[in-house]
Parts: sequence; structure tokens; C-alpha cells
Amino acid sequence: AQSVSQHNHHVILSEAASLELGCNYSYGGTVNLFWYVQYPGQHLQLLLKYFSGDPLVKGIKGFEAEFIKSKFSFNLRKPSVQWSDTAEYFCAVNADSGYSTLTFGKGTMLLVSP
Amino acid sequence: DSGVTQTPKHLITATGQRVTLRCSPRSGDLSVYWYQQSLDQGLQFLIQYYNGEERAKGNILERFSAQQFPDLHSELNLSSLELGDSALYFCASSARDSSYNEQFFGPGTRLTVL
Repeated sequence: AQSVSQHNHHVILSEAASLELGCNYSYGGTVNLFWYVQYPGQHLQLLLKYFSGDPLVKGIKGFEAEFIKSKFSFNLRKPSVQWSDTAEYFCAVNADSGYSTLTFGKGTMLLVSP
Repeated sequence: DSGVTQTPKHLITATGQRVTLRCSPRSGDLSVYWYQQSLDQGLQFLIQYYNGEERAKGNILERFSAQQFPDLHSELNLSSLELGDSALYFCASSARDSSYNEQFFGPGTRLTVL
């Protein structure tokens, strides 16, 4: 069974600091990868996704993620965070096995101090 | 607003009781997914329906059941409730049964079992 691990449960940064959130998955075959964000009091929203092609994908709000197949990783990055990036971030994977269900990591709570 | 609606927003009930959570997908979406979010387990996939048929099952207890109706809305039934069932229950919908289609999440139903 596929699984997703997110390295940090809580991250605290100051505005303008750079962000990198780790995500590793366990599945040996083809995968589709996602990052979702949940702002306080809001529903989960898709930040970015990777299916194939360029391993560096860009998403909304200046976020990007890099797929490194050899490391089974899909880390999320942002060069300069803002207070409005305070949210919980979830990495998710779908194994290209004919089913569309997602396996989520446990999430990383990011707090950005002004 | 994702276009996915869930009712009720909050539900407080007692152990041993039965509750029904309702989800209306985005207009035109055929696929509905149910997820449970708890502090210890994170966000876990429960069950998926596609165009009225059960498509995939995840970590769903036998006390839980779901269905998707002809108008495509879905209900999640939780019975013989236990304290550990207290969680946030999310519904998501997507256009088709494919991971290439983005899943749009509803605001969730917070269930508290006392």
C-alpha cells in the first residue's frame, strides 16, 4: 500500500524566509503527486500537481515543487513566505493504478510571523 | 468556495447513536470521495462513488456506509458511534474517475461524539 510521510508537523518562519516542506512517498510504480493547502477555517485547495514531464512544477501563489524520482520525494518550496501563507499543507499521492483516490500525508502546519 | 457543499457543519451526538452526513458535489461532477480527518490519523480516504456506483474503498469501518443518489449527492452514514469517531469528515468531488481530474473539497462536517 502506498504511504506518504511529511517530515515536519509544525514549521515556524518569519516573513520573507524561504520555505521547504518535505514529502516522501512509498510506491515503486508511476505516481501522480499533489500538494494541497488548507487555510484557517477554509476547505482544502489544490496548490500544484505533478503527473509527468518537467519534474519542477509551479503552482499558485508562488509555490513550486520538485519531483525527485530516485528519492521518492516531492518537496514543496517558496522563496519568500508571507503572513498569508499561514496554513496547513498536505502532500498527497495517487498511484497510477486505475483508481483516482488520494493518500495524504499527515500535514505540516506552517505559521508565518509578521 | 469550491462548489462542494456539506451539511451539517457541526454535529454533536452521543455514543451508540447514528448520524448521516450529506454532500452535494460540484455541478456536473460524477465522482464523490469521503475522507476522515483526525489528529492522530491525519486525512484518510474512506470511500468513493462514481455515478452512483461504489468505486473504491479505503479505511472505512463496517459501522460506516455511504451511497450516491441519482442526483449525484452522497450521504455517509455512521452508526454505533464511538468516541474515536469524533473527527472532521470531508467530501470531495471530481468530474470523472481519474486522478487527472482535480478533487474539490467541501468545508467538512465536524462530528463530536460525547
